[in-house]
Amino acid sequence: NAGVMQNPRHLVRRRGQEARLRCSPVKGHSHVYWYRQLPEEGLKFMVYLQKENIIDESGMPKERFSAEFPKEGPSILRIQQVVRGDSAAYFCASSPSRDRNTEAFFGQGTRLTVV
Amino acid sequence: GNSVTQMEGPVTLSEEAFLTINCTYTATGYPSLFWYVQYPGEGLQLLLKATKADDKGSNKGFEATYRKETTSFHLEKGSVQVSDSAVYFCALSASGTASKLTFGTGTRLQVTL
Repeated sequence: NAGVMQNPRHLVRRRGQEARLRCSPVKGHSHVYWYRQLPEEGLKFMVYLQKENIIDESGMPKERFSAEFPKEGPSILRIQQVVRGDSAAYFCASSPSRDRNTEAFFGQGTRLTVV
Repeated sequence: GNSVTQMEGPVTLSEEAFLTINCTYTATGYPSLFWYVQYPGEGLQLLLKATKADDKGSNKGFEATYRKETTSFHLEKGSVQVSDSAVYFCALSASGTASKLTFGTGTRLQVTL
């Protein structure tokens, strides 16, 4: 029973390039959340998606960042024209329902380094 | 808005010592409260949770009680082990927000022999 799978684990991009982070939720989970962890800080919510829909993107920067969760395939967090400040660990979580008391399962994260 | 404040680390303890990590929160309505643990190089794992006032969450010897009057959810363990060394995050999920979590900054625990 595989957990949340994120890839790549580590990603290095030069300034101005695009970064694509993938997240495969727990089988059967249709709710996906993306969080960003800056060095020495807690996780900050970015976006909440349900299959093919963005439910809450209140934590997403207005420019360069986008997320999708298609009917088939993994959820993708896309960062265009990366800058040094985008360097962080990006975590994906999934849950089986909207119930806020339901455990959210986290992936191991993608550590993005912008050089 | 919602926020979580937890004690700064790192916390260094000898094996078998008593652990307390303080956590207080600010939220509208009645949030659910969580402690997550992050081992080196890993993602976060749910350690315990409490969904209403006076609930006590417990797991692996850790426990925390949801105190509405003091808006706190302090994590305790009576006797820590070296294997408990990790970063501990307090978090809340506010009413109507599904599993969208607001996290504290994390407290690093180092347990030595």
